Amino acid sequence: NAGVTQTPKFRVLKTGQSMTLLCAQDMNHEYMYWYRQDPGMGLRLIHYSVGEGTTAKGEVPDGYNVSRLKKQNFLLGLESAAPSQTSVYFCASSYSGSGRAYNEQFFGPGTRLTVL
Amino acid sequence: ELKVEQNPLFLSMQEGKNYTIYCNYSTTSDRLYWYRQDPGKSLESLFVLLSNGAVKQEGRLMASLDTKARLSTLHITAAVHDLSATYFCAVEASTSGTYKYIFGTGTRLKVLA
Repeated sequence: NAGVTQTPKFRVLKTGQSMTLLCAQDMNHEYMYWYRQDPGMGLRLIHYSVGEGTTAKGEVPDGYNVSRLKKQNFLLGLESAAPSQTSVYFCASSYSGSGRAYNEQFFGPGTRLTVL
Repeated sequence: ELKVEQNPLFLSMQEGKNYTIYCNYSTTSDRLYWYRQDPGKSLESLFVLLSNGAVKQEGRLMASLDTKARLSTLHITAAVHDLSATYFCAVEASTSGTYKYIFGTGTRLKVLA
């Protein structure tokens, strides 16, 4: 049981390049999330998904796109990377909200992205 | 808009001392989570607080929730160096049946030997 995994762990991009971050979970969770973490700003929600085939915008969605084609995978894409997107990206997953006492999030190890 | 504020942002304390981290939030919620993050690592769940008056304890850490005051506290008793980390609170909010989490900015704790 691997939990939540992220690929890659580190990446350096040049401005304007594109890339995709992959998140995978093996806990059969309905909800998946992408956050970015910047110094002094905590975690900010980029996009999230409440189930296969669905996505929604979070607090800071501009410059990112996501897809959830399979329940276990949640992809985060940067079409044209900018230096402002230099950050650590965390993926998380949780059970669905309704009908449960609580919905603890489980986090992946993070991807450290630098855009030059 | 839901906002979550933690204070202090930085905390340097001597081993053996007690201290409290505060988490204030701006909207109704009865689900609050505390996480720990070590430098360069991911977030690890510490406590889940589900109702007004909830109190959870694990070792030298104790978390409580007052939903009427929209306040959660994380109390550290007799701090030890191993507790040095960044601590985040997160509030679960429901919007049109969808559940999201809003994180505080974190409290970076350094325990000095």
